[in-house]
This record gives sequence, C-alpha cells and structure tokens, in this order.
Amino acid sequence: NAGVTQTPKFRILKIGQSMTLQCTQDMNHNYMYWYRQDPGMGLKLIYYSVGAGITDKGEVPNGYNVSRSTTEDFPLRLELAAPSQTSVYFCASRDDATNEKLFFGSGTQLSVL
Amino acid sequence: ELKVEQNPLFLSMQEGKNYTIYCNYSTTSDRLYWYRQDPGKSLESLFVLLSNGAVKQEGRLMASLDTKARLSTLHITAAVHDLSATYFCAVENTGTASKLTFGTGTRLQVTL
Repeated sequence: NAGVTQTPKFRILKIGQSMTLQCTQDMNHNYMYWYRQDPGMGLKLIYYSVGAGITDKGEVPNGYNVSRSTTEDFPLRLELAAPSQTSVYFCASRDDATNEKLFFGSGTQLSVL
Repeated sequence: ELKVEQNPLFLSMQEGKNYTIYCNYSTTSDRLYWYRQDPGKSLESLFVLLSNGAVKQEGRLMASLDTKARLSTLHITAAVHDLSATYFCAVENTGTASKLTFGTGTRLQVTL
C-alpha cells in the first residue's frame, strides 16, 4: 500500500499566486486532515473531512479551501498566497472505525516569496 | 479550547542517561498519541494511549497516560544517539472527526 501520498514535495510561490496541494490515500479512510507546521512548532489543523462531500474548518482555515469529491482525495487550495503561508503542509488520514493513529503523508514544503 | 503543552521544549542528554518528557493538556480526553519526527521528515507514530493508566513500551521508550491529571509522560531509558529527534504528543478532541491537537514538540538531542 502507498498510504498517504502528497504532491508536490517542494514549491515556491510568489505573493498572490494560487496553487493546489494534492493528497490521496489508498486505505479507504473516511477521516482526512490538513495540518501546517511552522518552523520549530507543532502542527495546526487547517481543515478536515469526515467523508466525501463533507468538510469543515480547523484551527487556522483562513486563506485556504478544500474539497472532498472522493474518499481517496483531499486537495488543499491556496488562493492569493501570502508570506504567512510559508510552512510545511501535512495531509493525514485515519480509519474512523478503529479511530486510532493518524497516517501522515511526507509533507509539502511551501515558500511564498 | 484544548491546549497541549510539552516540556521541556529542548533536551540535550548524554548517551546512557534517563529522562522524561511531559505532556499536559487542558480539557478532558481519554486518548493521547506520541509521534516522532526526524529533521525534514514526516511524523511517525510511536504510541497510542487509549485509557487512563495505559502504559506502552517500545525499546528504550515508555509512554503512560493519567487522564485524571491530564498528563502523559514519555520516558527514555539509557538514551542512544538514534533517539535524537523531535517528539510530539497529540491529544484527541472529543467530537466530530476526533481531531488531534498537537503539542509544540520536544527536540531531543542525544550526545556521546
């Protein structure tokens, strides 16, 4: 199994540009999450989803949007990128039946200059 | 709002020594998780603690949970250099999607 796959691994954006961070999982998990990690800090929840068609805001949603058209995919959209969005972004999924650990993707390092 | 605090934030210790990392949280929760992160890498699950009094051990690491005190500990026994990493605790919020709130992490450096 591939687990949770994120693309791209690295990206540099100019202020005001937009981009989509891709996340897909092959474990048939209903729960999916997007976190950001600023340097030397813990993870903060941006958005989450409990299943296809259902998404909700986390702790730091401003400047981001998500969609969940399928169980497998949970893309994160950045509109009008700002320097404050420079961070490492992690996608994660979880089996809602067992409700145990999160499975994390390898992360996307984003710089907004 | 659930808050999770870890201490210390940075820990430098010699090989062979023992030490404990503490994780305190502010509201009721029965589930706590410990993760390890190597520099530039993703997070690796270490322990899942699902009830009061839960204790889990893997190699030189042992984690415990006291839900009444809202405290978890990660104990390191006879540290080795390979344990150098950042360790995060995460507490499960009750409610929709069982979201996790992470601590700020403890950066552990094990020196020879």
